[in-house]
Amino acid sequence: EAGVTQFPSHSVIEKGQTVTLRCDPISGHDNLYWYRRVMGKEIKFLLHFVKESKQDESGMPNNRFLAERTGGTYSTLKVQPAELEDSGVYFCASSQETGVGTIYFGEGSWLTVV
Amino acid sequence: QKEVEQDPGPLSVPEGAIVSLNCTYSNSAFQYFMWYRQYSRKGPELLMYTYSSGNKEDGRFTAQVDKSSKYISLFIRDSQPSDSATYLCAMSPYNNNDMRFGAGTRLTVKP
Repeated sequence: EAGVTQFPSHSVIEKGQTVTLRCDPISGHDNLYWYRRVMGKEIKFLLHFVKESKQDESGMPNNRFLAERTGGTYSTLKVQPAELEDSGVYFCASSQETGVGTIYFGEGSWLTVV
Repeated sequence: QKEVEQDPGPLSVPEGAIVSLNCTYSNSAFQYFMWYRQYSRKGPELLMYTYSSGNKEDGRFTAQVDKSSKYISLFIRDSQPSDSATYLCAMSPYNNNDMRFGAGTRLTVKP
């Protein structure tokens, strides 16, 4: 069974440009999460989808970040325009249940804004 | 003050040593306590999961939670070079949305 897949694995963009990160969850997992770790900080929650609906987006830092989950399958996270402080690693995770401890993380998308 | 404190290390031990990794926290609402292992350029992988206080053992790994002291530990017995990774503690009061991570401790086990 395939795990959580993220694309691209690495991205280097200039300040002001747009980047779109994609996440394919484990098949059958209704719950999809985005987390990120910026330089020198801990991993932090961004948002949670249940199927195609945003269940909780309290962790989204500002309106430059837009997440979508079309048809309840894959998800995209767009950063527009990107700022230097957005550099870090963006993790996607998925789970069948909402209970703690049952989530599976992808390998992350490493974003560098220069 | 951070909600979860974890010494980032690095920690280097010889093969076969007992490793002790620790986190402290300030939020008494945390009920779920996790340890994740993260290899370089990979995503976090759940190692141990404990609800409330107590001990949990899985092979060479033992997780301990002391809610009265707001202190959690992960012990690795007979450490192996393949255990070399970053170990992240995480905890939550309710669900994955409220999960708070520690900074991670980088462990190297030398042959």
